[in-house]
Amino acid sequence: AQTVTQSQPEMSVQEAETVTLSCTYDTSENNYYLFWYKQPPSRQMILVIRQEAYKQQNATENRFSVNFQKAAKSFSLKISDSQLGDTAMYFCAFMWTGNQFYFGTGTSLTVIP
Amino acid sequence: EPEVTQTPSHQVTQMGQEVILRCVPISNHLYFYWYRQILGQKVEFLVSFYNNEISEKSEIFDDQFSVERPDGSNFTLKIRSTKLEDSAMYFCASSGGDRVNEKLFFGSGTQLSVL
Repeated sequence: AQTVTQSQPEMSVQEAETVTLSCTYDTSENNYYLFWYKQPPSRQMILVIRQEAYKQQNATENRFSVNFQKAAKSFSLKISDSQLGDTAMYFCAFMWTGNQFYFGTGTSLTVIP
Repeated sequence: EPEVTQTPSHQVTQMGQEVILRCVPISNHLYFYWYRQILGQKVEFLVSFYNNEISEKSEIFDDQFSVERPDGSNFTLKIRSTKLEDSAMYFCASSGGDRVNEKLFFGSGTQLSVL
């Protein structure tokens, strides 16, 4: 069975600073995808970044980047130059063939002005 | 760790038919949610449910959708007359509270295919 673990239920960061959210997963699959979703109070799920497991290069999207360590089954999200609008719940998710998604339980990030 | 269970994992139905997607949330949780993801698209919020009534719903959650907690353990999503565009992965989730930092536990989804 696939599992996704987010061990930090809450985090905070000063505006303009950098923060890293951790995520580990467990799978026996070799081909899969990893995602970070942001959920603001509106409850919508916004895709922040995705990573294909077969790609060694870490994905980046503007201020967001990941540190993907396949052997360690780790997929952390780094947010640089944190902004007040980054305050939200962040969910790590794993998907393999068959479109089955597995979500972590979320990390609540607060950006402090 | 406790988990949210969804059944079935795959469901195929004919257009116009009614379907019921079932979820068993974590037993002491009070807040329940449905999300969906159309293949290749974003995960969309449908509805939240608390104290036996809908607390929030999105524009997607129109009159063809309904939710119910029939027996204190199951949480169901009914789609009355399915359309082709209802084909998606549907996720159930539950949480113990509604605070912004509350842990949200997702099920692994039901893949609905409308033919």
